[in-house]
Amino acid sequence: DGGITQSPKYLFRKEGQNVTLSCEQNLNHDAMYWYRQDPGQGLRLIYYSQIVNDFQKGDIAEGYSVSREKKESFPLTVTSAQKNPTAFYLCASNPLVHSNQPQHFGDGTRLSIL
Amino acid sequence: QKEVEQNSGPLSVPEGAIASLNCTYSDRGSQSFFWYRQYSGKSPELIMSIYSNGDKEDGRFTAQLNKASQYVSLLIRDSQPSDSATYLCAVNIRGGGADGLTFGKGTHLIIQP
Repeated sequence: DGGITQSPKYLFRKEGQNVTLSCEQNLNHDAMYWYRQDPGQGLRLIYYSQIVNDFQKGDIAEGYSVSREKKESFPLTVTSAQKNPTAFYLCASNPLVHSNQPQHFGDGTRLSIL
Repeated sequence: QKEVEQNSGPLSVPEGAIASLNCTYSDRGSQSFFWYRQYSGKSPELIMSIYSNGDKEDGRFTAQLNKASQYVSLLIRDSQPSDSATYLCAVNIRGGGADGLTFGKGTHLIIQP
């Protein structure tokens, strides 16, 4: 089945530790996105990528890093510089050619501090 | 700061009635508008997309867009308990369609049996 796969579903981070969230899609979509959702809040854009080996900062990029080495993969690293990482992280994609098409989301990764 | 505003609710509607959810946005240049439904602990699921002024209907759902008033709404007819969820309004505010969406904080809808 085509879709977006995020892993792990739950992740715990220790103080000073970097952690990486995985996002893989087999939809052949060009554009991929990472959002963060805090309780009772909407989604906020962290980073996005429209093409391999290129990405742009969103509204809350500080403390995060990404890479886009393959079209189907867009991992997000939450660094130790992110002092409040506890949140629900959502990966999305959509085809760049029809760029007004809606984004579809993976099932998310819930990150907590140990 | 370009924004999307929604009433956070909760909005309580009797089963079988019409639920009306509203959203305003700040950027007149916005071109694409989306409604997502999000159940507690789950990821958002696309309900409707709308791109031009007027109404767009899909089953029990109707999206309404008024670009002059910078207003988009979602109507849910014959509301069911399974419609109880948070509804997120999302707008392509950044200009280019692939640049990411700006979301409202969501309206929590409760359908009372």
